[in-house]
Amino acid sequence: GAGVSQSPSNKVTEKGKDVELRCDPISGHTALYWYRQSLGQGLEFLIYFQGNSAPDKSGLPSDRFSAERTGGSVSTLTIQRTQQEDSAVYLCASSLSRDRGFNEQFFGPGTRLTVL
Amino acid sequence: AQRVTQPEKLLSVFKGAPVELKCNYSYSGSPELFWYVQYSRQRLQLLLRHISRESIKGFTADLNKGETSFHLKKPFAQEEDSAMYYCALSGRGSGAGSYQLTFGKGTKLSVIP
Repeated sequence: GAGVSQSPSNKVTEKGKDVELRCDPISGHTALYWYRQSLGQGLEFLIYFQGNSAPDKSGLPSDRFSAERTGGSVSTLTIQRTQQEDSAVYLCASSLSRDRGFNEQFFGPGTRLTVL
Repeated sequence: AQRVTQPEKLLSVFKGAPVELKCNYSYSGSPELFWYVQYSRQRLQLLLRHISRESIKGFTADLNKGETSFHLKKPFAQEEDSAMYYCALSGRGSGAGSYQLTFGKGTKLSVIP
């Protein structure tokens, strides 16, 4: 079946502009995660959704970052007034939601954001 | 707080040589540990998890709670093993049931023909 998809695959923007990154999770996956992959920093957790609600926003680096999820499916990560340090690959993952135990996260191909 | 440390940014080995990618963790509880792999121009994918105690593509990893380690091993490296390897820990995030993954910074494995 189709995996996690993300769009756009690449985004180049100017400092100060707003950007929106989209994630389509695997159908039936109720949990959705956003991560940021920066050069030399590895993968950094940003936010988690269970259905349409976000019980864990602990990783958002500043109030310029926000995310929403509608219909328990598509999610959008918005970065306002982009800065050069926002340049990174933004990864989305989805999983079946379980109260306990292992829930394999399936990753999308990522969106490479470059802020000039 | 949970933390994953991968001390080596780059590991180069010859084909046929043994491989060990190191991973140490810090977590106050019973963690779930994973190894993820990212081949060139491919998406991040799960390689193996400690609870299944399985061998995938010849790789194994044993959770050592005493040493808080989860090293990834393979007895004979192959060229197709060249990739970026991430150790990850799953534990409860700040929201109930979040189970976010905390990743190490990754080790790039290069297998020399």
